Amino acid sequence: NAGVMQNPRHLVRRRGQEARLRCSPMKGHSHVYWYRQLPEEGLKFMVYLQKENIIDESGMPKERFSAEFPKEGPSILRIQQVVRGDSAAYFCASSPGGQSLSNQPQHFGDGTRLSIL
Amino acid sequence: RKEVEQDPGPFNVPEGATVAFNCTYSNSASQSFFWYRQDCRKEPKLLMSVYSSGNEDGRFTAQLNRASQYISLLIRDSKLSDSATYLCVVITSNTGKLIFGQGTTLQVKP
Repeated sequence: NAGVMQNPRHLVRRRGQEARLRCSPMKGHSHVYWYRQLPEEGLKFMVYLQKENIIDESGMPKERFSAEFPKEGPSILRIQQVVRGDSAAYFCASSPGGQSLSNQPQHFGDGTRLSIL
Repeated sequence: RKEVEQDPGPFNVPEGATVAFNCTYSNSASQSFFWYRQDCRKEPKLLMSVYSSGNEDGRFTAQLNRASQYISLLIRDSKLSDSATYLCVVITSNTGKLIFGQGTTLQVKP
């Protein structure tokens, strides 16, 4: 499967625990975007990363959320001390990058559904 | 004001009907425009890009009006399988991040 791979598909955590969501981009893609879709709402941009660099984190909550895209391995979205309001679908998308980011559509993974008890 | 606005619907139409969705965006510097489709809150899937000259893909036609900051999607001869939420998406930044509308829900009935 050469598409964007996210895992786990479903994740259940209790309040105060940590959640780690993983995203492997499509083969040949070096740019990763994370989006969040809260219940009954549209998708909202969170963060844009290239390998080993955070390029745009303007959509990330100020506290408890972090993201990384190491040189080796998948991109990780980490949520510390989760609260009920973090329950949402988290989608990752990738693009090949290059000079024309502003007109590249993105291809999405299946998402991780995070539920906080 | 939201950056991308859509009528959430739902639009309930019979099979074979023609249905049109509209979307407006607030940033006049927006660079690229797309329609995505989302089924039951699964992953969004690219339906088509939108150009000022208009573009057509089978039963689907998309149009962009930059002067009015308005995007449209027309679906002809609706099928049951067209039932989904249609997301209007805009890129305003050189980073390529997507700005989504809330989506318009279409329900095609037999």
